[in-house]
Amino acid sequence: DAGITQSPRHKVTETGTPVTLRCHQTENHRYMYWYRQDPGHGLRLIHYSYGVKDTDKGEVSDGYSVSRSKTEDFLLTLESATSSQTSVYFCAISESKEQVYGYTFGSGTRLTVV
Amino acid sequence: AQSVTQPDIHITVSEGASLELRCNYSYGATPYLFWYVQSPGQGLQLLLKYFSGDTLVQGIKGFEAEFKRSQSSFNLRKPSVHWSDAAEYFCAVGTSGTYKYIFGTGTRLKVLA
Repeated sequence: DAGITQSPRHKVTETGTPVTLRCHQTENHRYMYWYRQDPGHGLRLIHYSYGVKDTDKGEVSDGYSVSRSKTEDFLLTLESATSSQTSVYFCAISESKEQVYGYTFGSGTRLTVV
Repeated sequence: AQSVTQPDIHITVSEGASLELRCNYSYGATPYLFWYVQSPGQGLQLLLKYFSGDTLVQGIKGFEAEFKRSQSSFNLRKPSVHWSDAAEYFCAVGTSGTYKYIFGTGTRLKVLA
């Protein structure tokens, strides 16, 4: 989507290796989110950020960490990847805490852990 | 607990037929309600949203949705479906003062020519 890019788009990694996914935005939005999408579960929130260096956990945060050192970048790290973390990961941005505008989503990163 | 339910996992309609996708929510506060569409291999795109005012909201691509507080529903409708509407549709709920939404599990729409 315009203004938000995720990298890489696809990745295959081995169990036990660290993996970092990147979300980059050019909209200067304060709020950024990482979701994972799995069949039958819809989208589940992993972590979110409400400003530089301000992050908090979502509903499925175990095994994941995040960092946000700049407004435009939000990194998601799997410290030691497991097969249960095979998923499609989406980054989203929002300009308002009040949530009235909705999210803008990136195109996703398909991660396979073998 | 807060929740969003999309009862239909799959729906198949013929091109030109009308469409209604169901969404029910359980939320303690006044909700913000959204519908998103996801085409294969793509991210989610916002179709429409409701947070106050007129309970019938219009969105992009000819979609509309109606908020019915008494039924805790926010169903998505389209009078005449086009083949390009084949996608997965997600309902989401948020509320004032929170940073995040709850998403439903999605409804996959198939359109027959």
